[in-house]
Amino acid sequence: AQKITQTQPGMFVQEKEAVTLDCTYDTSDPSYGLFWYKQPSSGEMIFLIYQGSYDQQNATEGRYSLNFQKARKSANLVISASQLGDSAMYFCAMREGQGKSYQKVTFGIGTKLQVIP
Amino acid sequence: EAGVVQSPRYKIIEKKQPVAFWCNPISGHNTLYWYLQNLGQGPELLIRYENEEAVDDSQLPKDRFSAERLKGVDSTLKIQPAELGDSAVYLCASSIRDSTEAFFGQGTRLTVV
Repeated sequence: AQKITQTQPGMFVQEKEAVTLDCTYDTSDPSYGLFWYKQPSSGEMIFLIYQGSYDQQNATEGRYSLNFQKARKSANLVISASQLGDSAMYFCAMREGQGKSYQKVTFGIGTKLQVIP
Repeated sequence: EAGVVQSPRYKIIEKKQPVAFWCNPISGHNTLYWYLQNLGQGPELLIRYENEEAVDDSQLPKDRFSAERLKGVDSTLKIQPAELGDSAVYLCASSIRDSTEAFFGQGTRLTVV
């Protein structure tokens, strides 16, 4: 089974609107972490947000928030007030194991977001 | 502060030729990763270093791939001989141990013809 599933190959959003990028995960480990990365056309992977499996509150970082639904095993990324510069590939990823260290991480196949003026 | 630096950015080689990629992590980052990213896919870990020790190389195809991180700073990833299927982007990342965030370089896009 896929550890990380991103079912939206591509998404469009109007500038200044909010958008949700879906991610579901599969693990039997009680300790895990979920990440979102942005990859613009330049190729660099940019860290956006992190959610630990034991974190009580949903993670937020500026315009990014992670809608963490543990029972459903979903970790959707919400981008508020979209900007043209948000156009990029977005990858959901998961780390399994103990501790907070960034160890082996499994990435999804990504969602291409395009922001329309 | 400089980010993770990779070179070259692009490389085109003929099959069966050797190729090497270089990565300079962020200063003070003791953990270094090499990832392979095929077109339309997410990155897949090839090898992870803690200082100069390779602590996870289970996904590295050791018949043709090799890596080193002498002195626990810069790292080199080598392919010899290259095959057509090796065409991909090779990403390097670094982090501080016990950090939730890793910083990536811009990658090296390899084309094998």
